Amino acid sequence: GAGVSQTPSNKVTEKGKYVELRCDPISGHTALYWYRQSLGQGPEFLIYFQGTGAADDSGLPNDRFFAVRPEGSVSTLKIQRTERGDSAVYLCASTVTSGSGAEQFFGPGTRLTVL
Amino acid sequence: GNSVTQMEGPVTLSEEAFLTINCTYTATGYPSLFWYVQYPGEGLQLLLKATKADDKGSNKGFEATYRKETTSFHLEKGSVQVSDSAVYFCALISGQAGTALIFGKGTTLSVSS
Repeated sequence: GAGVSQTPSNKVTEKGKYVELRCDPISGHTALYWYRQSLGQGPEFLIYFQGTGAADDSGLPNDRFFAVRPEGSVSTLKIQRTERGDSAVYLCASTVTSGSGAEQFFGPGTRLTVL
Repeated sequence: GNSVTQMEGPVTLSEEAFLTINCTYTATGYPSLFWYVQYPGEGLQLLLKATKADDKGSNKGFEATYRKETTSFHLEKGSVQVSDSAVYFCALISGQAGTALIFGKGTTLSVSS
């Protein structure tokens, strides 16, 4: 598989539960982004990794959201104490370089539903 | 702050009609501009881009010109096909404000035969 993959494709959870969403970027891509897309909206930036470190986490809405990328490849977005407002499609994107003209390649997303 | 505004949809056209989807932006510095497309059941994919003023991005018959004087990046296609039915997102990367994409809300295009 040459593209960005995300698992699970769908996740249904109850309010207050903890969830983890996984992203496998394209091999060799050092930059990885997480976005959140609510219904009828464009994707909104959450966090950006360059290698293993979070270079920009200014888009995380609050401290219930956290993401890691321990080996500079796979990344996990973690959401604690989920709320109904967290329901959205969570998108991951990767790129070879983080320059302003670089194409970001998107995964298919994880649709999170919080009941 | 940086933002993108695009025309609201849905846009409904007949096959072979001319398409324009308007996009304007607000950004610090000199952003790079993008159009992404999301076909039904598929992920977001880059359609075209332009990285400096007066550049024209083109792909699959679609075109958009980076107009700094009007802060616009309108998407056009001379003759749409049913297969062009999708959601189109205008986006920018400011550079000065980071490397993440800032998206508009998206415009749904529906083309009928």
